Amino acid sequence: AQTVTQSQPEMSVQEAETVTLSCTYDTSESDYYLFWYKQPPSRQMILVIRQEAYKQQNATENRFSVNFQKAAKSFSLKISDSQLGDAAMYFCAYRRWGSAGGTSYGKLTFGQGTILTVHP
Amino acid sequence: DGGITQSPKYLFRKEGQNVTLSCEQNLNHDAMYWYRQDPGQGLRLIYYSQIVNDFQKGDIAEGYSVSREKKESFPLTVTSAQKNPTAFYLCATSGIGGELFFGEGSRLTVL
Repeated sequence: AQTVTQSQPEMSVQEAETVTLSCTYDTSESDYYLFWYKQPPSRQMILVIRQEAYKQQNATENRFSVNFQKAAKSFSLKISDSQLGDAAMYFCAYRRWGSAGGTSYGKLTFGQGTILTVHP
Repeated sequence: DGGITQSPKYLFRKEGQNVTLSCEQNLNHDAMYWYRQDPGQGLRLIYYSQIVNDFQKGDIAEGYSVSREKKESFPLTVTSAQKNPTAFYLCATSGIGGELFFGEGSRLTVL
């Protein structure tokens, strides 16, 4: 079974600085998706960024970028120019590619989450 | 507006009672999911459904039941057999791109 590990329960950053959140995963699959979700105090889960494993290029969405190391099974999130609105719980998630044996292809496995605090 | 609607947002239950959480979507997505979130833990999958009239157990299905009679609806019943039901429950759908889209969640508290 796939597992996702976020080893940093809490992180903090000064406004306008850069912070990196870590995520590692375990899988025997070669094709899969990886995601970072943000959960602010409202508890609404918001997709931050996604990465397809077959793509060598790291995904980027404005101030958010990832460092995807497939061989190391590592998927870190970098937030540049941190803003107060970035304060939230961040979850890393894994999803298999396609479907096999009736397993839902949309089933995501989540890490434990990292609480990010942004200091003004 | 397109999206996922969960209701109620807050629900209180006495021990021994069954309660049903509603999840409705107008995104025309085939697959729907129920996740449970506890403090200090990530999201854990309860049940999922890929198509109408079909659903599968997730990692923590004991004490829960679901139905999928319509594409738009995927209600979750928390039964009295669920020993520790106090939690935050999230409903989600999945689109073509593989990511999940979430509702705003329902907080269930057992009195």
